[in-house]
Amino acid sequence: DTAVSQTPKYLVTQMGNDKSIKCEQNLGHDTMYWYKQDSKKFLKIMFSYNNKELIINETVPNRFSPKSPDKAHLNLHINSLELGDSAVYFCASSPGTSLAKNIQYFGAGTRLSVL
Amino acid sequence: GNSVTQMEGPVTLSEEAFLTINCTYTATGYPSLFWYVQYPGEGLQLLLKATKADDKGSNKGFEATYRKETTSFHLEKGSVQVSDSAVYFCALSVNDMRFGAGTRLTVKP
Repeated sequence: DTAVSQTPKYLVTQMGNDKSIKCEQNLGHDTMYWYKQDSKKFLKIMFSYNNKELIINETVPNRFSPKSPDKAHLNLHINSLELGDSAVYFCASSPGTSLAKNIQYFGAGTRLSVL
Repeated sequence: GNSVTQMEGPVTLSEEAFLTINCTYTATGYPSLFWYVQYPGEGLQLLLKATKADDKGSNKGFEATYRKETTSFHLEKGSVQVSDSAVYFCALSVNDMRFGAGTRLTVKP
């Protein structure tokens, strides 16, 4: 069983469209994250949720809206896609919010290409 | 702010060569330090970690020692294998997780 699964794995779409990426974890973790990895492999945190509540919201455009229907799911919705949104998006989860003590488990990534 | 700087790649080695990937950090407070590995087409996996000064993290033949005096956490392996080819990320955590830019390692037979 995949611990952190995200779908789709690949997403190709036109500029201006709205798309969603789904993430689910079956580890029983309380905390979930979204990261963006750019073409240079640099990984930046976007959002973090703990028990469905937003705890980290880095400076990202408000076209990006995370939604956590329950603590096992954290979906990422992106409105009005732009070329610069092309990247690999990683979902992750950890048992708690203390990153010093809690290992993060990552999904395999969603490669988003905006044409 | 908190940040991590790691050596730029790519790094190409022959099998059984010695590996060092440098990582230095800047942090307020007392960070925990991590190395993550990303194999082709996969997500990041924790390779090893150290939570306080002088701790040594080790896993799968890789080691890194938390050096507070030099603010470093260099990754080493004595004899690399082709299967170690991946991108390696140094990271630190105080209040949130900060990753380095990643170093791509290619090991040739």
